[in-house]
Order: sequence, then structure tokens, then C-alpha cells
Amino acid sequence: AQSVTQLGSHVSVSEGALVLLRCNYSSSVPPYLFWYVQYPNQGLQLLLKYTSAATLVKGINGFEAEFKKSETSFHLTKPSAHMSDAAEYFCAVSDLPGGTSYGKLTFGQGTILTVHP
Amino acid sequence: DAGVIQSPRHEVTEMGQEVTLRCKPISGHDYLFWYRQTMMRGLELLIYFNNNVPIDDSGMPEDRFSAKMPNASFSTLKIQPSEPRDSAVYFCASSSEAALESFGPGTRLTVT
Repeated sequence: AQSVTQLGSHVSVSEGALVLLRCNYSSSVPPYLFWYVQYPNQGLQLLLKYTSAATLVKGINGFEAEFKKSETSFHLTKPSAHMSDAAEYFCAVSDLPGGTSYGKLTFGQGTILTVHP
Repeated sequence: DAGVIQSPRHEVTEMGQEVTLRCKPISGHDYLFWYRQTMMRGLELLIYFNNNVPIDDSGMPEDRFSAKMPNASFSTLKIQPSEPRDSAVYFCASSSEAALESFGPGTRLTVT
């Protein structure tokens, strides 16, 4: 079974500071990994995805994440936080295409990012 | 591309009533997912379909919940009878082998 653990349910940073949201996964097979963002009262929007190509993945809005197999991690970073980054962020894992659970996303509990002026 | 369409966006109903949530996936997507989001439990996958066939319904909480996908462009999630603990935001998402999951805007359900 696959699972995702997001370390820290709340992260607070100052505008312009580094954003680091942590995600560790557990999977018996090579996974696909994702980060989604959810703004208040809205659905989930895909930020970036890892699909077994480059380990450093660049996404939208200046975010990136690095897949580290040895650490089973997929942490999300952004060099300089902006007020508009304030939202809830979800890490998720799924099987590869053809896997028994392909397409079935397992989400972490989410991390609420607060950005202070 | 209109994206995943869900209706209604908000639903308020009384305990015991039947509730039906609707979803239109993105054209060409052959996977459809129903998720529920609550403060206590986060995002939970309820059920998903592939080519209109239910593949995994292990997340459906109990017999009061049922989901159907009569064709490739429409799915429903029904709760009968509804209970206050069913209050949540219900998301529909769709995907294909070549495209990742796109989420709808959600239906916020309140059962009083």
C-alpha cells in the first residue's frame, strides 16, 4: 500500500523567504509523485509531478521539487515566497501507468502555508 | 477545455434526505474519481471508475453511498439517507493514461 506523510500541518514564512514543504512517501513500487495546491474554497490544482524522468521537477508559480529515492522524499521548495502562495498544499502518490493502482492518488494530510508581509 | 464540471456547487439538506452530486469529466478521460474532503480526515478517495466500470469502491463509507457512471460523460454520487457527518466537500476528478488528474471545483454539502 502506498502512503504519504507531510511533515508539518502548518508552515509560516515571511514574504521573500524560502518555502520548504516536506513530503515523504512509502511505496512498494516506483511511484508517481505530485504536489497540488488548494486555495480557499477552490478545487485542487496540480503544481508539479514526478513521473520517473528528471529527479528535479519544476512546476508552476516558481515551485520545484526533488525526488530522492534514498530518502523516500519529494519536498517542495520555492526560493522566495509571495503573499499569493498562501494556500494549502498536498503531496500525493500513485502507481505508474499499468500498475494496479494507477490513477488512484493517495494524498497526504496537507500543509497550510501562511506568508507574512 | 471546460474542465471537470460538478453540480451543484453548494447543497444544503436535512438529515434523512437523498442527495445526488453530479460530475461531467473532461472529454476523452477514461478514469473518474470521487473524493471527499473534511477537516478531520483530509482528502479521501471514495471510488474510481475506468471506462465507466467501478474499479475500487473500498473508500465508500457505507451502504448509504452509491456511485454510478452510466456513460463516459456523466457520473453521480448519491447519499441516501444523508446524515450530518456526511457534511464535506466532494470532489470529482478525471484523468487518462496520458493526462493527470484534473479536479472539479467541488460540491460543498451541508447536512443539518
